[in-house]
Parts: sequence; C-alpha cells; structure tokens
Amino acid sequence: EADIYQTPRYLVIGTGKKITLECSQTMGHDKMYWYQQDPGMELHLIHYSYGVNSTEKGDLSSESTVSRIRTEHFPLTLESARPSHTSQYLCASSTGLAGLTDTQYFGPGTRLTVL
Amino acid sequence: AQTVTQSQPEMSVQEAETVTLSCTYDTSESDYYLFWYKQPPSRQMILVIRQEAYKQQNATENRFSVNFQKAAKSFSLKISDSQLGDAAMYFCAYSIDSGGGADGLTFGKGTHLIIQP
Repeated sequence: EADIYQTPRYLVIGTGKKITLECSQTMGHDKMYWYQQDPGMELHLIHYSYGVNSTEKGDLSSESTVSRIRTEHFPLTLESARPSHTSQYLCASSTGLAGLTDTQYFGPGTRLTVL
Repeated sequence: AQTVTQSQPEMSVQEAETVTLSCTYDTSESDYYLFWYKQPPSRQMILVIRQEAYKQQNATENRFSVNFQKAAKSFSLKISDSQLGDAAMYFCAYSIDSGGGADGLTFGKGTHLIIQP
C-alpha cells in the first residue's frame, strides 16, 4: 500500500461545526487530490493541487476549502458542516512528472457523517 | 467533458473462473490514460492496471488483463482464475496527460464483483 494517510478515519459531527480532514503523504509527490465518494460509490474530484501554494477546484462543486502549505500535507476544511456533506472523502497523490503515466495513490478515506 | 460508463453494477463469478468487467468512455482527446482501480470493503483504493492510449498492446498484470479497443472507446478488464480476495468494487477511470501529469481522474460508477466459493 502507498504511503498516504488520512485522519480521522471516521467522524460523526453535529451541524454547524467546523472540521478539518487531514491528508499526508511521504512519497514527495507534487500533485494531490480530494475526491468525494457518495453513498452510491461514485467518486467525484472536488479539489486538486499541483504543488505548494497551488490549489484548484475540481469537477464537483464543493463548499469545502483546501490549502497546500507543505508538499506532504493537503488538508480539507468545512467551515460549517451540514448533513449534505455526509460522504466518504478520499485523498490521493501522484508524481506529476511530465511525460510519465501519472498514477494516483489513494489514502484509506475519511467517512464523515453530519447529524 | 469526458465520461466513463460501467454498465454492470454487479457481477458474480465462481472461484477459479474468469470474469470480464466492461467499461466504455467518451473523449475527444487522442492521448490519455485508462485505469482500473479496486476498492475492497473498508479498504484502500488500489491500482490494478493501467493503459496508455498510444500503446496498441493490451496491458497485463499477472491474472489481470485488459482489452483496449481505442476506436470503440472500450476498456474491459479480464480477471483470470478468480480468487476470494478479488471481491471488491472495481472502478474504471480516465485521465488526460496534460503535460504536467494527469489531472484528476474521471471515474465510472463502479462494478461490485462477488466471488462465489
């Protein structure tokens, strides 16, 4: 398994709370991603980063925000959690090297439930 | 926009038999990458196999092989000698080589593979 970690693995929280989902990788990868996996298992890209101080929104609109201050760290924050945010969140990383097949390695996921 | 379609929500196969999972995609690009990922229950998503669109030869990884038909935009996964540990959700995914490496993956909805002992 790849060296990419997510904490917490499970989180149950009340509406209106601020939460941060942590993602770290020790592979020195430049590119990092956040996917949202709905209960029907479909995955959608919500954020990605090409490197430090670079963040972009993905295909699926999300109220979450991300930051990339360090190469190895890509946290996702929800300022005010709502039940509609209940989902599994998967973090991934890849080398981002030009010309190479850019395989993404995934973390174990955080399963978020907002009551 | 690129789309990936997996038309089989669930497949079942006897242990030691062969199963093929289907995937079609839509893109106007000529250079791209295709992937099959496996997600076991409550486990990490892992890469099973990948295919570069410019390569005509089908990728193989031990018991896993693909049938890549570029003109038909089809990318099926064949699992030979199925094992109980192969039971999982299988996702077909697409990405474009943007020069700086692939951007996010576009996933299909997944196929739930059941292995019957």
